[in-house]
Amino acid sequence: GEDVEQSLFLSVREGDSSVINCTYTDSSSTYLYWYKQEPGAGLQLLTYIFSNMDMKQDQRLTVLLNKKDKHLSLRIADTQTGDSAIYFCAEGTWDAGNNRKLIWGLGTSLAVNP
Amino acid sequence: DAGVIQSPRHEVTEMGQEVTLRCKPISGHDYLFWYRQTMMRGLELLIYFNNNVPIDDSGMPEDRFSAKMPNASFSTLKIQPSEPRDSAVYFCASSPDRGIDQPQHFGDGTRLSIL
Repeated sequence: GEDVEQSLFLSVREGDSSVINCTYTDSSSTYLYWYKQEPGAGLQLLTYIFSNMDMKQDQRLTVLLNKKDKHLSLRIADTQTGDSAIYFCAEGTWDAGNNRKLIWGLGTSLAVNP
Repeated sequence: DAGVIQSPRHEVTEMGQEVTLRCKPISGHDYLFWYRQTMMRGLELLIYFNNNVPIDDSGMPEDRFSAKMPNASFSTLKIQPSEPRDSAVYFCASSPDRGIDQPQHFGDGTRLSIL
């Protein structure tokens, strides 16, 4: 079946780099997303990567995709206290009716310590 | 542009009562999603609509849950009768079309507590 897995917690010191990992099982995925959820708010799209890409960089964010191992990572450089949030990995794919759907991970809670 | 608007932000009610959650998607978005988030199960897709038509309701937990989208700018999720295990944060999200680079835009959620 389709599944997306993430570690539940990550703690880093302010100024260090954070790496959040995700694995997925559906080999037919076409795109993968990273969403951020701050306390009391909804999810916001951080970045996404197409499955035919290996890497995408956007300011402090670097996404790495290893399609062979079905492994996705999000690196946050120079992590700040404002980066403390829950980070969700999501895999985009299609259901039997050719409609888009997202398979969500459980989220990784990132704690940034001053 | 206004984002996805959900109401109420918080709802506390006694078990057995009917609960109605409301959502206004972003204008022009064709897809509308209802999610439930709990600590134990994470983010669960309950149902989604395309052009006001329900496409997949396989995530709706049981017959006590129902969702409608009478027009392109409004949707409701109803629980009747409510039970304590329905306590969760319920999110509505919308997205414009089937384009692969179109993300889902989330509302701020309704925090529901059933006593």
